[in-house]
Amino acid sequence: GAVVSQHPSRVICKSGTSVKIECRSLDFQATTMFWYRQFPKKSLMLMATSNEGSKATYEQGVEKDKFLINHASLTLSTLTVTSAHPEDSSFYICSARGAPGLAGGRYEQYFGPGTRLTVT
Amino acid sequence: GENVEQHPSTLSVQEGDSAVIKCTYSDSASNYFPWYKQELGKRPQLIIDIRSNVGEKKDQRIAVTLNKTAKHFSLHITETQPEDSAVYFCAAGNTDKLIFGTGTRLQVFP
Repeated sequence: GAVVSQHPSRVICKSGTSVKIECRSLDFQATTMFWYRQFPKKSLMLMATSNEGSKATYEQGVEKDKFLINHASLTLSTLTVTSAHPEDSSFYICSARGAPGLAGGRYEQYFGPGTRLTVT
Repeated sequence: GENVEQHPSTLSVQEGDSAVIKCTYSDSASNYFPWYKQELGKRPQLIIDIRSNVGEKKDQRIAVTLNKTAKHFSLHITETQPEDSAVYFCAAGNTDKLIFGTGTRLQVFP
């Protein structure tokens, strides 16, 4: 149980275009999802927290107009990288927080497989 | 702001030896401390976690200790095996968010 999927797994886009990444919790409802960015051989950097039905909370230094987050349902959150530039190339990973009743309760985050974005 | 430091950044051990990774955190409000294992190109997988009302937790070859006063927590892997080779991340936080450490690349040589 507690499976999180992400789509696409890889995407290459041209500079100036927008890219949408989907994060889905497949077998549980996730009121909260998190979006991370990971540079090669580096740690996971929290970008924003996405709550179903409300605006996302962005971490300091993350441009909310550039990284649009929508959490329209209890199983789906999307991250749209708008007007992408080469410096946006990175590995983007989402996670969904467990709900009461799951093994991890309200604490454990279940990660998706990640999306590798390359902007040319 | 919140910060989690992790040491060492790389760790090489012989198969069968023990490995210890240490983390310190700055936010005294943190009450949840998970450890994740990430293999190359794959998602982070939770291997063990501890909450602030517990000082130590063990699961087979893996154990985690927490010193809330000193804001330290550590991962201990005993009888290491080559398949333990991966990057390990500690994290500190609560239900609102987690702040991750910088990672430790563990290599276990046969």
